[in-house]
Amino acid sequence: DTGVSQDPRHKITKRGQNVTFRCDPISEHNRLYWYRQTLGQGPEFLTYFQNEAQLEKSRLLSDRFSAERPKGSFSTLEIQRTEQGDSAMYLCASSLGQGYNSPLHFGNGTRLTVT
Amino acid sequence: KNEVEQSPQNLTAQEGEFITINCSYSVGISALHWLQQHPGGGIVSLFMLSSGKKKHGRLIATINIQEKHSSLHITASHPRDSAVYICAVSWGPNTGNQFYFGTGTSLTVIP
Repeated sequence: DTGVSQDPRHKITKRGQNVTFRCDPISEHNRLYWYRQTLGQGPEFLTYFQNEAQLEKSRLLSDRFSAERPKGSFSTLEIQRTEQGDSAMYLCASSLGQGYNSPLHFGNGTRLTVT
Repeated sequence: KNEVEQSPQNLTAQEGEFITINCSYSVGISALHWLQQHPGGGIVSLFMLSSGKKKHGRLIATINIQEKHSSLHITASHPRDSAVYICAVSWGPNTGNQFYFGTGTSLTVIP
């Protein structure tokens, strides 16, 4: 299966700790998106990359959040000094081409619980 | 105000029933996407459409660009159709994020 993969599937951490998530997109996809989803809500945009360039960050993405895609392939999302409000499902998606006219392919997400 | 509104929020149906989920949006779009999310988080893209109608198996998606409205229909519903169905719109080019999502319709199909 060469779909989008995310690691880990679940992460439980104590408040104040740092966490890092990884996303491996479909190999030929140039666009990679990070979304956050809380219960009963649709995905909320965090940031996206076109190849290795981070082109946009949401206002939701405080300075505790940082994302990288160093070689235009896999991406990491780091949250520093986690807070209980960071508990959510973090979804990664990738697409090909211009993005807006291509289907999004999602990973299974990383569920973060901050205690 | 959410740019994408879905109705109903929750839907329970008996197996075999015909199901309709609606999506309205307020911005000009390039494409509308219907997504399916099963418990546990995985999201699957069902349709991407910018006009007319698309069909895949028992699923049919329609869009009316003038009315800024789309519907997802499921014929002969089955318990395995139970999931959250999310409508998303995209526009471009050169407009950054490009995707806005509805809050989803939670469908339960009872045997």
